[in-house]
Amino acid sequence: GAVVSQHPSRVICKSGTSVKIECRSLDFQATTMFWYRQFPKQSLMLMATSNEGSKATYEQGVEKDKFLINHASLTLSTLTVTSAHPEDSSFYICSAREPRTDTQYFGPGTRLTVL
Amino acid sequence: AQSVTQPDIHITVSEGASLELRCNYSYGATPYLFWYVQSPGQGLQLLLKYFSGDTLVQGIKGFEAEFKRSQSSFNLRKPSVHWSDAAEYFCAVGAQDSNYQLIWGAGTKLIIKP
Repeated sequence: GAVVSQHPSRVICKSGTSVKIECRSLDFQATTMFWYRQFPKQSLMLMATSNEGSKATYEQGVEKDKFLINHASLTLSTLTVTSAHPEDSSFYICSAREPRTDTQYFGPGTRLTVL
Repeated sequence: AQSVTQPDIHITVSEGASLELRCNYSYGATPYLFWYVQSPGQGLQLLLKYFSGDTLVQGIKGFEAEFKRSQSSFNLRKPSVHWSDAAEYFCAVGAQDSNYQLIWGAGTKLIIKP
């Protein structure tokens, strides 16, 4: 099946620093990737939809200047959490849409802890 | 409004017993329907999906789901659960005309009794 990788799997950073998370589709080209945030014991919250070569579409309430998304190639999207604060600590998951099957395949997630 | 309802927050089943996880949706267009499974601290794995055709779909790990348009349901079933099936299960609905965004259910946590 289609494989999506995510790096790093976990990161701990100091408040005020920026963190970049990478999402890669390993065996298919993804024109559309999605970034989610998941709080403990909750479902996924869509943060933004990223289309290759264009600006990401952010969901209501998600600060685009804080969560910078870049989808520069058909296999890579990045999420940068800028000036991170403890309330940004969460589990971030990306997915990529496999175009032949219109199915989202998910990365393993990144656990972000901001001290 | 578009929505997905998983009415059971958690379900406890004995190992070897059958399982049914419920999913109901409200969606204006013909939906794409998915079941994903998430183990603790992990990403989501696709179990199965329905786009069109045969309303009974087979997935991985012995799971199946049946699309019932009249009931707006897409329930997940397995005839005999294994301890390794303990996880969180999410039902999701999407469509081509919504840029393939998925609407998620709240999830059902499956607990397996030995």
